[in-house]
Amino acid sequence: GAGVSQSPSNKVTEKGKDVELRCDPISGHTALYWYRQSLGQGLEFLIYFQGNSAPDKSGLPSDRFSAERTGGSVSTLTIQRTQQEDSAVYLCASSPMTGNNEQFFGPGTRLTVL
Amino acid sequence: RKEVEQDPGPFNVPEGATVAFNCTYSNSASQSFFWYRQDCRKEPKLLMSVYSSGNEDGRFTAQLNRASQYISLLIRDSKLSDSATYLCVVTPILTGGGNKLTFGTGTQLKVEL
Repeated sequence: GAGVSQSPSNKVTEKGKDVELRCDPISGHTALYWYRQSLGQGLEFLIYFQGNSAPDKSGLPSDRFSAERTGGSVSTLTIQRTQQEDSAVYLCASSPMTGNNEQFFGPGTRLTVL
Repeated sequence: RKEVEQDPGPFNVPEGATVAFNCTYSNSASQSFFWYRQDCRKEPKLLMSVYSSGNEDGRFTAQLNRASQYISLLIRDSKLSDSATYLCVVTPILTGGGNKLTFGTGTQLKVEL
């Protein structure tokens, strides 16, 4: 079946602009996660959605970052007034409610802020 | 101190060698443990879960030492295709439900002819 998809695959923007990154999780997966991976760094948790529960936003680095998940499926991560340090690969993952907690990752969006 | 620490490597080994990676974690509430594999410029993919009793999947063996908060991955008879970055991952819940994963920065393995 179809895996997690993300768009765009690459995004180049100018400092100060807003960007929106999209994630389509695997159908039926109730949990959705956003992470980012900076060059030479490990994956850093950003935000987590589980069903209709309030999202866990504890990893968002600043109030310029926000995310929403509409209809329990597609999610959008928005970064306002982008800064050069926001340059990274933004990875989305989804997981089912049951099982061994495996998370299935999308291919990521590579964001470059000039 | 990072929550999950790994030797970044790179580990350069000849084909057929046995190689071991170690990982330590600081959160004693951690309950689930995994090794993920990440190829260059690709997304991470689950390699194997790590159980308290230790577990094996073909050439791969994972061990967990809760007392020392230490996880290991052993790769036997390494192949060129094993070249990748291996990510140690922990999470505080047991099964199901989902929760944020805490990743180590990864250990890079290069298998050479």
